[in-house]
Amino acid sequence: QQQVKQSPQSLIVQKGGISIINCAYENTAFDYFPWYQQFPGKGPALLIAIRPDVSEKKEGRFTISFNKSAKQFSLHIMDSQPGDSATYFCAAMGGSTLGRLYFGRGTQLTVWP
Amino acid sequence: GAVVSQHPSWVICKSGTSVKIECRSLDFQATTMFWYRQFPKQSLMLMATSNEGSKATYEQGVEKDKFLINHASLTLSTLTVTSAHPEDSSFYICSAPSDWGTEAFFGQGTRLTVV
Repeated sequence: QQQVKQSPQSLIVQKGGISIINCAYENTAFDYFPWYQQFPGKGPALLIAIRPDVSEKKEGRFTISFNKSAKQFSLHIMDSQPGDSATYFCAAMGGSTLGRLYFGRGTQLTVWP
Repeated sequence: GAVVSQHPSWVICKSGTSVKIECRSLDFQATTMFWYRQFPKQSLMLMATSNEGSKATYEQGVEKDKFLINHASLTLSTLTVTSAHPEDSSFYICSAPSDWGTEAFFGQGTRLTVV
């Protein structure tokens, strides 16, 4: 049972464009929603995270939009660059097991120059 | 942020041998650590939760006799893949939660190749 659903599976964007990745969850006990960026052969690196008390968080070119009532959150990458080409995972944490993350299936982002 | 060190970063072993992977929290204590496995082009799947001073908790479908977990101290958890087979080849990643369990810190991952 996939606790966090992520789409699309792959995304191709032109340089300078906006990349948008969406995630949805069911468990209302989740209270921390991070996004991870992963390059081939490397471990996931925390990109940006949000808690449900805010609807948006922005860090540089990366923005998380959070809709608590819809149980959805999304990552927006503005002015996408070829160096952003990587796999992105959304995740959720919360509930009875502190620190345990539930991951989406991942989105392979390719930014063409 | 807190640092989690995982070693080795890659290992190649022969079928039938055992491999030990270490996960250390360098500047904080972790009573719990998580072990994930990631197959190529797939997501991270939790294998087990390592608990300091007690038995690990394994996810459904994960063989506890094959993937031995030891969490002997507040800063070290080890995963031993016993009698490794080629299908065990994967990327293994550990993580440790922050004090209040509000964040997760990942190790660098270990690429295991069984030949």
